[in-house]
Amino acid sequence: NAGVTQTPKFQVLKTGQSMTLQCAQDMNHNSMYWYRQDPGMGLRLIYYSASEGTTDKGEVPNGYNVSRLNKREFSLRLESAAPSQTSVYFCASSGGTGVKEQYFGPGTRLTVT
Amino acid sequence: AQSVTQLGSHVSVSEGALVLLRCNYSSSVPPYLFWYVQYPNQGLQLLLKYTTGATLVKGINGFEAEFKKSETSFHLTKPSAHMSDAAEYFCAVSFSGGYNKLIFGAGTRLAVHP
Repeated sequence: NAGVTQTPKFQVLKTGQSMTLQCAQDMNHNSMYWYRQDPGMGLRLIYYSASEGTTDKGEVPNGYNVSRLNKREFSLRLESAAPSQTSVYFCASSGGTGVKEQYFGPGTRLTVT
Repeated sequence: AQSVTQLGSHVSVSEGALVLLRCNYSSSVPPYLFWYVQYPNQGLQLLLKYTTGATLVKGINGFEAEFKKSETSFHLTKPSAHMSDAAEYFCAVSFSGGYNKLIFGAGTRLAVHP
C-alpha cells in the first residue's frame, strides 16, 4: 500500500518554463489537495478537489492549474514558472464521511531560476 | 475566518525534559484540530486529532494535546523528550462542511539536545 505518491521528487526550472507535478493515491479517497510549503509560513492550500470531476481554488491559486484526472490522480500544472513559485509542493488526500485527517505525499522540491 | 497561531518558531529542550508546543486557533464555528509532524525531507504525518468528545487526546509516540475552548488552545505535550522527536510540528484547524480543508500554523521546529 503506497499511500500518496508524487513525482518528481526534485525539479529545477527556468523562468517561463512549464511543468506538471503528478500525484496519485491508492486509498480510494474522494478528496485531494495541493499545498505549497515555504519557510515560516506553514502549508498553504493551492487547489483542492472534493470529489472526482470537481476542483476549487484554495488560498494561493494564482499561477497554477489542476486536473483531477480520475479518482486516483490529481495533477498540478505551472504554465509559466516564476521564481516566486520556488517551494516544496505536497499532495494530500482524505476520505470517508465527517472530518477526516489528510494523508500526505513525500513532496516535490521545485526551484525556479 | 479560521486561523492558527503557533507560539515559538523554534523550541529547544533537553532529552528527558517536558515538551510543550503551543497552538491557538481562531474559528467562528466549532473547530476540528490536528497536530502533524514533519521529519526532515519527508511529508507530514498525523500525530493526533480532536473532532468531538474527550478534550484530552492521545496520539502516537507518547504525544497528547488538550482542547481548551475557553482559551482557544490546543497545546501539544510529551512528558519526556527523545532525540527522535526532533522535527517540525504543525497545528492545523478544519471545520465541518469545509471539505476537510486544513488551515495550518507556521510550524514549530523542535530541537532535542543530549
